[in-house]
Amino acid sequence: DVKVTQSSRYLVKRTGEKVFLECVQDMDHENMFWYRQDPGLGLRLIYFSYDVKMKEKGDIPEGYSVSREKKERFSLILESASTNQTSMYLCASSLPSGNYNEQFFGPGTRLTVL
Amino acid sequence: AQSVSQHNHHVILSEAASLELGCNYSYGGTVNLFWYVQYPGQHLQLLLKYFSGDPLVKGIKGFEAEFIKSKFSFNLRKPSVQWSDTAEYFCAVRASGTYKYIFGTGTRLKVLA
Repeated sequence: DVKVTQSSRYLVKRTGEKVFLECVQDMDHENMFWYRQDPGLGLRLIYFSYDVKMKEKGDIPEGYSVSREKKERFSLILESASTNQTSMYLCASSLPSGNYNEQFFGPGTRLTVL
Repeated sequence: AQSVSQHNHHVILSEAASLELGCNYSYGGTVNLFWYVQYPGQHLQLLLKYFSGDPLVKGIKGFEAEFIKSKFSFNLRKPSVQWSDTAEYFCAVRASGTYKYIFGTGTRLKVLA
C-alpha cells in the first residue's frame, strides 16, 4: 500500500515565523501535491511537483513556496506565517498523469498561526 | 476554467436510508472522475474512480457512482447507509492527461443510528 506521511499532525506557530511542512511518500511516485483544506471550500491546490526540483504553482501559491530535493520528499514552506494561513494542509502523491492514476493522501497537518 | 459543484453541503440520514450525493463538473473534454471519503480524524481515501468504459462504477463499502456525460454528472449512491458512513465526501475531476485535480467543496454526511 502507498503510504504518505506528514511530519506533524498538529502545529502551532506565531505570526511571522517560517514554517516547514514535510511530506514523504514511499511508493516512488513522480507527482506530489500540497493542498489546503478549509470548511466549505474543499481542497485547493497550492503547489504541484512532477519531478525532483520541478514545481508548478497551483491555484493559491501566494505566501507559500515548496522544495523537492528528493523524489520521495516534498516540503511546503510558509516564509512568514500569517493568521489567514491557519488551515489543514494535505499532501498527496500519484503516478504520472496518465490514465487510471489516483492521488494518495497523507493524514494532514492542522496548522494554527497565532 | 474547470469547476466541480457539490450541491449538498450537509446531509443527515437515518440508518438504512438510501443515499445520493450530487456532483456536477464543467469541462467539455474527456475527464477522469473520483469520489474520495474522509472519515472523522482520518485521511482522504479513494471510494471509486471512473476513467472509461461502463459508466456505472462500483467502489468500496457498497458505494457506486454513475457517470452521465450529457449531464456532466457523477453522482454517488448507496442503497442503504450505515452509521459508519458518517464522513465528508469529495468529488474530484481531472481533465484526462493532465495533472490537476479539481475538488468539490465536499458534502458532510451524518448517519443517525
